[in-house]
Amino acid sequence: DAKTTQPPSMDCAEGRAANLPCNHSTISGNEYVYWYRQIHSQGPQYIIHGLKNNETNEMASLIITEDRKSSTLILPHATLRDTAVYYCIVRVWAAGNTGKLIFGQGTTLQVKP
Amino acid sequence: KAGVTQTPRYLIKTRGQQVTLSCSPISGHRSVSWYQQTPGQGLQFLFEYFSETQRNKGNFPGRFSGRQFSNSRSEMNVSTLELGDSALYLCASSLGQGGSEQFFGPGTRLTVL
Repeated sequence: DAKTTQPPSMDCAEGRAANLPCNHSTISGNEYVYWYRQIHSQGPQYIIHGLKNNETNEMASLIITEDRKSSTLILPHATLRDTAVYYCIVRVWAAGNTGKLIFGQGTTLQVKP
Repeated sequence: KAGVTQTPRYLIKTRGQQVTLSCSPISGHRSVSWYQQTPGQGLQFLFEYFSETQRNKGNFPGRFSGRQFSNSRSEMNVSTLELGDSALYLCASSLGQGGSEQFFGPGTRLTVL
């Protein structure tokens, strides 16, 4: 699986949009971009994933550049409860493939009042 | 629908002992993966089970083993515990092998003295 690069930490004001970048310049054509987050002392939580089109769900939006070498996770209105470590992961997703996730160090997002 | 449950939540053992951790996946999920999380190494993949068969294994010594039962519940065992085995052990389940969205349990905090 391709490696990802994320900034170690970011701050965001409560109520503002949080934009978390991820670089995955060696991503392969069949690899998806996944985002998980881990709130302190809890198990990681799935947020969103995408291949090449932008994706949106009730939690966040995922913007993937046209060359797929980088992406941005957007939390539109960050709250204090969004303070967590955010992991960007790339993996092949196909029926019967391994579900193994390779976690990097992630970005610690601190949402401040 | 109940989430992934892990028992026990906390465990204290001494060096040389062995330990068994249990994971009950979400009802209907057939794939279970295990991860170890430590401050130094972060989240690392241990193994993945689907239909009672180990499908993938991480780079851990043979002291770490696991199994999956016909009801998809899984256990992992660590024998001859070492101080470095102190960690948060996380279990994740998904609908099928390599499932798109993986759901993590709260983890078992193992302390080895």
